[in-house]
Amino acid sequence: SAVISQKPSRDICQRGTSLTIQCQVDSQVTMMFWYRQQPGQSLTLIATANQGSEATYESGFVIDKFPISRPNLTFSTLTVSNMSPEDSSIYLCSVDRGTNTEAFFGQGTRLTVV
Amino acid sequence: AQSVTQLDSQVPVFEEAPVELRCNYSSSVSVYLFWYVQYPNQGLQLLLKYLSGSTLVKGINGFEAEFNKSQTSFHLRKPSVHISDTAEYFCAVSAVSYQKVTFGIGTKLQVIP
Repeated sequence: SAVISQKPSRDICQRGTSLTIQCQVDSQVTMMFWYRQQPGQSLTLIATANQGSEATYESGFVIDKFPISRPNLTFSTLTVSNMSPEDSSIYLCSVDRGTNTEAFFGQGTRLTVV
Repeated sequence: AQSVTQLDSQVPVFEEAPVELRCNYSSSVSVYLFWYVQYPNQGLQLLLKYLSGSTLVKGINGFEAEFNKSQTSFHLRKPSVHISDTAEYFCAVSAVSYQKVTFGIGTKLQVIP
């Protein structure tokens, strides 16, 4: 299994500000994924982050709003920029072992924008 | 592309009764199938997965699921639920050749004492 640590676990932020969420994995992984879980809804993939290349964003998500860094094989950050109340969600980091047989998730970051 | 349909948004069931949470998927390619559980204020935990082989898959906490290719279903079952099973359950699918996981909308299981 993989141990994934996400920081912060929760935050309350003012609209118009930005928050950077960190994801640390206990071993090297090729791909890291960022998901959003809006209240009462399922998980939606925001982007896929490979080390050394630009993240690949899903439809409806753009780099200016959700910039992602992937400086090495065990770490990634997701920034939620210029936040509005609609950005209030749980943001989850996910990895797999490159075998595509199981996704491991961090505990999530519960973001509230006021 | 893959998609997942969870037919029930909420399932109330009495303690010690059996439960089935339904999941159907669509895909034009071979897939892997998963069930995840999310307890309140926690991340997701894998319950079980189907990769290949036997269509009946056993997971943690007494849950099992059966892969039915002809009906494109992967329903989750437990013969006797406990209060601690109260949680949200997500069915998920990924293409064998690609690591992106698509999730269903989730089913809230409420176990009634």
